[in-house]
Amino acid sequence: AQKVTQAQTEISVVEKEDVTLDCVYETRDTTYYLFWYKQPPSGELVFLIRRNSFDEQNEISGRYSWNFQKSTSSFNFTITASQVVDSAVYFCALSEPANQAGTALIFGKGTTLSVSS
Amino acid sequence: NAGVTQTPKFRVLKTGQSMTLLCAQDMNHEYMYWYRQDPGMGLRLIHYSVGEGTTAKGEVPDGYNVSRLKKQNFLLGLESAAPSQTSVYFCASSLSSYSNQPQHFGDGTRLSIL
Repeated sequence: AQKVTQAQTEISVVEKEDVTLDCVYETRDTTYYLFWYKQPPSGELVFLIRRNSFDEQNEISGRYSWNFQKSTSSFNFTITASQVVDSAVYFCALSEPANQAGTALIFGKGTTLSVSS
Repeated sequence: NAGVTQTPKFRVLKTGQSMTLLCAQDMNHEYMYWYRQDPGMGLRLIHYSVGEGTTAKGEVPDGYNVSRLKKQNFLLGLESAAPSQTSVYFCASSLSSYSNQPQHFGDGTRLSIL
């Protein structure tokens, strides 16, 4: 069965620290997509990144970077020099190849990141 | 630049009452979804639709019904609300059936059943 595990329930850091959020997934398919979403205290869900199973290149976007390792079924997210505005719940999600039933996302339970000044 | 709009944003119901949550998207997306978010559970799929006039069950469909009479709208109904349905409900839409398309989420509806 498909599954996404975010083992870290809560993480607390001080501003300017680097922090890594872990995501481990399970799937039997060879083609799939991984996503990260951010949910700030205001409650909305914000799309951060999409990665397909054939692209293991790491990606960097400003202070954010993502490390995809197919060998360990992990898609970890690192925030460099964290800021208070990074405080949020972060969700990792898995999506599998399209079928006639649609392409819903399978979410992990989320990691709550608290950044203090 | 509305995207996905959910109404209402908050609602309190008594056990046994019924209500409908409305989701509207202006991006001409084919696929629409309803999720519920409970503490420590992440988001779980309730129902989804792959196009106008179609609906299908997700992971946790019991106690809910949906309709997609127009492409831009996806309604979630609770016929007889129960306290276990207290949750935050999110609607999402995506452009196509290709799983590389990110889902765009509404801001959520916080529903409390007393």
